[in-house]
Amino acid sequence: NAGVTQTPKFRILKIGQSMTLQCTQDMNHNYMYWYRQDPGMGLKLIYYSVGAGITDKGEVPNGYNVSRSTTEDFPLRLELAAPSQTSVYFCASSYGDRSLYFGPGTRLTVT
Amino acid sequence: QKEVEQDPGPLSVPEGAIVSLNCTYSNSAFQYFMWYRQYSRKGPELLMYTYSSGNKEDGRFTAQVDKSSKYISLFIRDSQPSDSATYLCAMSEGTGNQFYFGTGTSLTVIP
Repeated sequence: NAGVTQTPKFRILKIGQSMTLQCTQDMNHNYMYWYRQDPGMGLKLIYYSVGAGITDKGEVPNGYNVSRSTTEDFPLRLELAAPSQTSVYFCASSYGDRSLYFGPGTRLTVT
Repeated sequence: QKEVEQDPGPLSVPEGAIVSLNCTYSNSAFQYFMWYRQYSRKGPELLMYTYSSGNKEDGRFTAQVDKSSKYISLFIRDSQPSDSATYLCAMSEGTGNQFYFGTGTSLTVIP
């Protein structure tokens, strides 16, 4: 099993550009999550999904959108990128009440 | 008040030392408690998972949960340089609920 995979690994965006961060898991987990990690701030939940077709906002959803058309995929869309979105983004999946399995992360810089 | 509080360190210990990492929390509904290890520029990986109160041991690692004090600990015995990483505590109320993370404690084990 590959676990949770994320693409791209690195990306530099200009202010106002858009992009999609891809996330795929092969563990048949129903629950999937997007976190951002900023230095000294810990992991903040952006969006999560409890199954295909169902998504909900987390703690810091502004400026982001998600969709969940399949169990495996949970892409995160950034519209009109801003410098405040410079961060490391982690996708994770879970059985629900148990541990999270994280992907390797995407390092995004918005300049 | 944050849901989860964790001393960010940094913590520096000599090889072979016993390390104690701690988190406090405010939400008495938390039932699931986890410790993640994150190496530099990598995604977090699950180290220990505990349900409700008590102790759990896995090799050199012991996790303790004291729900009455809203306090969790991770002990690392015979610490090794390979244990040098950031350790994040996390907790959740149950199935389908969000995970709440501490900000992480940076640990360096000096050979």
